[in-house]
Amino acid sequence: NAGVTQTPKFQVLKTGQSMTLQCAQDMNHNSMYWYRQDPGMGLRLIYYSASEGTTDKGEVPNGYNVSRLNKREFSLRLESAAPSQTSVYFCASSEGYTGELFFGEGSRLTVL
Amino acid sequence: GESVGLHLPTLSVQEGDNSIINCAYSNSASDYFIWYKQESGKGPQFIIDIRSNMDKRQGQRVTVLLNKTVKHLSLQIAATQPGDSAVYFCAEMGTYKYIFGTGTRLKVLA
Repeated sequence: NAGVTQTPKFQVLKTGQSMTLQCAQDMNHNSMYWYRQDPGMGLRLIYYSASEGTTDKGEVPNGYNVSRLNKREFSLRLESAAPSQTSVYFCASSEGYTGELFFGEGSRLTVL
Repeated sequence: GESVGLHLPTLSVQEGDNSIINCAYSNSASDYFIWYKQESGKGPQFIIDIRSNMDKRQGQRVTVLLNKTVKHLSLQIAATQPGDSAVYFCAEMGTYKYIFGTGTRLKVLA
């Protein structure tokens, strides 16, 4: 049982480049989330999807887009990467709108 | 606005002793709180949760206490072990789903 799987685990980009972070969960959860984690700060919510077919902005959505491809997959896209987007990104899922969040292992992104 | 903060950024505890990690929250309307553990290079893992209609909840070697009067949450770890070394986050149910604190690093001394 893999839980929440994120790819890639590491990525280096140049300013202005684009990329997509992939996330998949095999727990049949309805809700999925993207967080970023920066030194000295807690996890901050970028976007979330309460259920398949819906997405909503979180606390820090600027510069990102998401796609809930199906119930299993939720991707995060950076259209034009900026150094301020250097961070560790975590995908998470939960069975319902409330309850325990299950996190992936994280994707470390560096933007030069 | 909503915020969740931790009193101490680093806590050092002797192996075998009990650990207490504290957390303050600001949204008095929050009705659900969770503690997460994050080991180096890994994603956060659920430890224990508590709803606002409870003052205390116990798990295996862990206890969470909720004081709604002073908006304070604490995590107690009994007989701390080397494997407990990690960063611990509290989180409250807020406007943007869960609002996470900045974390406390627990160091277990041999």
